[in-house]
Amino acid sequence: GQNIDQPTEMTATEGAIVQINCTYQTSGFNGLFWYQQHAGEAPTFLSYNVLDGLEEKGRFSSFLSRSKGYSYLLLKELQMKDSASYLCAVRDNTDKLIFGTGTRLQVFP
Amino acid sequence: DGGITQSPKYLFRKEGQNVTLSCEQNLNHDAMYWYRQDPGQGLRLIYYSQIVNDFQKGDIAEGYSVSREKKESFPLTVTSAQKNPTAFYLCASSPPGYGYGYTFGSGTRLTVV
Repeated sequence: GQNIDQPTEMTATEGAIVQINCTYQTSGFNGLFWYQQHAGEAPTFLSYNVLDGLEEKGRFSSFLSRSKGYSYLLLKELQMKDSASYLCAVRDNTDKLIFGTGTRLQVFP
Repeated sequence: DGGITQSPKYLFRKEGQNVTLSCEQNLNHDAMYWYRQDPGQGLRLIYYSQIVNDFQKGDIAEGYSVSREKKESFPLTVTSAQKNPTAFYLCASSPPGYGYGYTFGSGTRLTVV
């Protein structure tokens, strides 16, 4: 079967760094995506990894290890507006995105 | 501006009624998708369509139906056979090619009353 695991909830302090992990087992692999979703809103694209290594984009970075079926999203210099759910998704061999259940991040002052 | 429009934003349905959720995109994307989101369960795929006049069932298609008569439009009907339809419904689209993620609509929150 297909399975994507992420922690359910995380908390952090404003200005800190937080790492959200994602492990996956899917039918094929054609890339891993991270999305941010504020409550009641649509997910918005954050990052895409298809090769092993780190992709950096401003305060956000995403890492991928295909051999380990593992990714993480790193958020630096946390701001209150970063309080949201973060969704890990893998594009499988049928070209569909399979989503994890999401990690709800709460940032406290 | 290009994007995906879902309507209505909120929808109330009486038990036994069919309702149709609208999804329109002007991004010229070939593929379109419908997801359902329940608290703590992430996004689950209902139906998807990769070209006009063709669509496939996702993981939870029972009680739902779709059509894809135009590239821009992918409406979802929630039928009376869907026993627990109260949820947040998201429509998405994507261009061909593996390097692209999905663009999502703003969602429709359906409540059975």
